[in-house]
Amino acid sequence: AQTVTQSQPEMSVQEAETVTLSCTYDTSESDYYLFWYKQPPSRQMILVIRQEAYKQQNATENRFSVNFQKAAKSFSLKISDSQLGDAAMYFCAYRSKNDKIIFGKGTRLHILP
Amino acid sequence: SAVISQKPSRDICQRGTSLTIQCQVDSQVTMMFWYRQQPGQSLTLIATANQGSEATYESGFVIDKFPISRPNLTFSTLTVSNMSPEDSSIYLCSVGWPTGELFFGEGSRLTVL
Repeated sequence: AQTVTQSQPEMSVQEAETVTLSCTYDTSESDYYLFWYKQPPSRQMILVIRQEAYKQQNATENRFSVNFQKAAKSFSLKISDSQLGDAAMYFCAYRSKNDKIIFGKGTRLHILP
Repeated sequence: SAVISQKPSRDICQRGTSLTIQCQVDSQVTMMFWYRQQPGQSLTLIATANQGSEATYESGFVIDKFPISRPNLTFSTLTVSNMSPEDSSIYLCSVGWPTGELFFGEGSRLTVL
């Protein structure tokens, strides 16, 4: 069965600095999707970035980028120029071919002014 | 993307009663899912809501406790039956998009006394 592991329950970063959130996963499939979702205190789950496993190029969305290492089954999220509005719970997620999405346990990110 | 409206946003219920949560999507979607998020925890898939047929439940969730309706491609309901304090959670409706990601409603925060 697929699993998603986020080993950092909480992290803090100074405003304007860069932070990297870690995620590893386990699967025997070769084709799948990976996502990072953000959940602020308002509880709405917001898609931050997506990566398709067959694409070698790392996805980028403005200040957010990923380091996708397929062989190592690693999918970390880098947030550059951190802003106060980035404070939230971040979930790494894996979607298999059968369409189920599995979420990691989350990393709570604090932004220090 | 999809706009997903969930009702109610929050509710406080008495033990032994039932509550139905509604999920309305602004476009026709094939895949709809219901998740539960217990306080401080990650998301757990309850079931996949199938249009025109019975929902597909995950291990640990049963139809008698969480009946789901999916009358058309834009609407679904989840009922939490015979509630106990352990059912206090956020319940999230989500839809699967052809490009792989899920979009989420704002969630329904349920408190059972």
